[in-house]
Amino acid sequence: KNEVEQSPQNLTAQEGEFITINCSYSVGISALHWLQQHPGGGIVSLFMLSSGKKKHGRLIATINIQEKHSSLHITASHPRDSAVYICAVEGGADGLTFGKGTHLIIQP
Amino acid sequence: GAGVSQSPSNKVTEKGKDVELRCDPISGHTALYWYRQSLGQGLEFLIYFQGNSAPDKSGLPSDRFSAERTGGSVSTLTIQRTQQEDSAVYLCASSPSRITDTQYFGPGTRLTVL
Repeated sequence: KNEVEQSPQNLTAQEGEFITINCSYSVGISALHWLQQHPGGGIVSLFMLSSGKKKHGRLIATINIQEKHSSLHITASHPRDSAVYICAVEGGADGLTFGKGTHLIIQP
Repeated sequence: GAGVSQSPSNKVTEKGKDVELRCDPISGHTALYWYRQSLGQGLEFLIYFQGNSAPDKSGLPSDRFSAERTGGSVSTLTIQRTQQEDSAVYLCASSPSRITDTQYFGPGTRLTVL
């Protein structure tokens, strides 16, 4: 069973700061997902990646397969980015295995 | 187009009763997943369907839990003889295929067992 660790668990930052959330996993995977969940809201898929780097607007996700590590970056952070960010890995016969999430608060 | 829908959005039941939770995936999506989000437990995988078949039932927490999918579309998750520890948000997701595709999540069903 894959162990997925995220850091930090909680992060409070000021508007405009560059944010980095890290995810590491223990067993080789076929893909890694970054998900976003706003308070009381549903889950939205931000990225799915199996190698390299992807960018969407102010969000950037990278993955290092050899190191079993991924990072999610937010540039020019904004209060609307406040949410729980969840790393999840896919591999083997089952569905996603999730990290515990990073609670991000961006203060104006 | 329409996203993944789930019903009911909220369900309150008494301990020992059976409940059925429904998921309507995005049209054409062959893969369908059920997850559970419990307070303090995070998200956990329950079961996935490829078409109508469920090759992996390893995540179901007990034999009180079962799921089926008919016509390659709608899925129902049934919990028999509910217990208080079954209280959670049950999430459904679908993807175009099984092989490393983006999953699209429904809004979830919040189940409360009194």
